[in-house]
Amino acid sequence: EAGVAQSPRYKIIEKRQSVAFWCNPISGHATLYWYQQILGQGPKLLIQFQNNGVVDDSQLPKDRFSAERLKGVDSTLKIQPAKLEDSAVYLCASSLLGGYKNTEAFFGQGTRLTVV
Amino acid sequence: AQKVTQAQTEISVVEKEDVTLDCVYETRDTTYYLFWYKQPPSGELVFLIRRNSFDEQNEISGRYSWNFQKSTSSFNFTITASQVVDSAVYFCALSAGPSDSNYQLIWGAGTKLIIKP
Repeated sequence: EAGVAQSPRYKIIEKRQSVAFWCNPISGHATLYWYQQILGQGPKLLIQFQNNGVVDDSQLPKDRFSAERLKGVDSTLKIQPAKLEDSAVYLCASSLLGGYKNTEAFFGQGTRLTVV
Repeated sequence: AQKVTQAQTEISVVEKEDVTLDCVYETRDTTYYLFWYKQPPSGELVFLIRRNSFDEQNEISGRYSWNFQKSTSSFNFTITASQVVDSAVYFCALSAGPSDSNYQLIWGAGTKLIIKP
């Protein structure tokens, strides 16, 4: 079974530039998550999709971050414009089900973003 | 409020020693799930175990074992006869919520485990 695919693996941009990350979840997984992980910390949920609808985006900085999951499969996360504090690893994960009785989430290898 | 505390920031042991990673959680919900994930240097978070609040039976999987105690709100993880490949950051996480419709994984800060040859 193929895992969660993310690209690119690494990205270096200057502040105020734009950047986009792509995620392809495990086939058949209805729930997709984007997490931000700053070095030395646990992951922080940015947005959760159930199929192509947003379930939770309460921690997404909507003035600069946006995400979409067209057709309920793959997803893109965009930052525009980037700030220095956006430097982090952006992790995509998917799970078969969402909600309270959730199954475990499977994670991609992440995209390491450096903003200079 | 939901919270997960992993008090050990970093642990270093010599190969073949046993090591226990502590996890203490807080929640007012009676139904909840606890998880452990491993994050090796490659960066990918690897699922290790999920436990629901109604099942306090300890679990063993090879060299890994988990001790769930509701009385102390702890879900500790023990690696027996540690190996260099066990070196990673380990995260404990909690899933709980007021309804069945939504949840969020609450993560601990992680414990960096270093196994020296």
